[in-house]
Amino acid sequence: EPEVTQTPSHQVTQMGQEVILRCVPISNHLYFYWYRQILGQKVEFLVSFYNNEISEKSEIFDDQFSVERPDGSNFTLKIRSTKLEDSAMYFCASSSRLAGTETQYFGPGTRLLVL
Amino acid sequence: EDKVVQSPLSLVVHEGDTVTLNCSYEVTNFRSLLWYKQEKKAPTFLFMLTSSGIEKKSGRLSSILDKKELFSILNITATQTGDSAVYLCAVRGNTGKLIFGQGTTLQVKP
Repeated sequence: EPEVTQTPSHQVTQMGQEVILRCVPISNHLYFYWYRQILGQKVEFLVSFYNNEISEKSEIFDDQFSVERPDGSNFTLKIRSTKLEDSAMYFCASSSRLAGTETQYFGPGTRLLVL
Repeated sequence: EDKVVQSPLSLVVHEGDTVTLNCSYEVTNFRSLLWYKQEKKAPTFLFMLTSSGIEKKSGRLSSILDKKELFSILNITATQTGDSAVYLCAVRGNTGKLIFGQGTTLQVKP
């Protein structure tokens, strides 16, 4: 069964460093998302991406964040200068359509720890 | 502001019990409500509901949506220890993003 994959599973970084989180969405999906979950809190939407453009972003997704689809399979989230409060689990998700009735499938997540 | 509220926040039951998890929502231009099960990591899809009154069923799990009263329930019958997880409710408007509730932590004791 196709699934969303993410690498790395864990990342530890120093405050101020740049990190890139990678995702491989399900192969025939066209819509891609990043969410994050701070320990003990809700899953929060960060950004959605379609046709090589950001479709929607939340207030959390400020200038320190960027997304890219560098090739036909990968979808990346870059945090330019990490802060302590960026420590969270980051989930990538994908769906085949944006009809509002399409299921989003989630990857296993990358646990980011900023020291 | 769009929001999703789940109750209870946590629940402890014994194997064989039946549980009902609740999700109420306020969202602009509602399109669908989704239930996910989150064990150690990724939310795993359970159900997507778009129409009122139509029960979705998968084994011992079932769910129904009431669009008039703006809530959904997830039922689990004959619970097993493997049902222990956080159950997430998420709602989608006419954009792509999912708005999640805070989750219900279910612990099923042997």
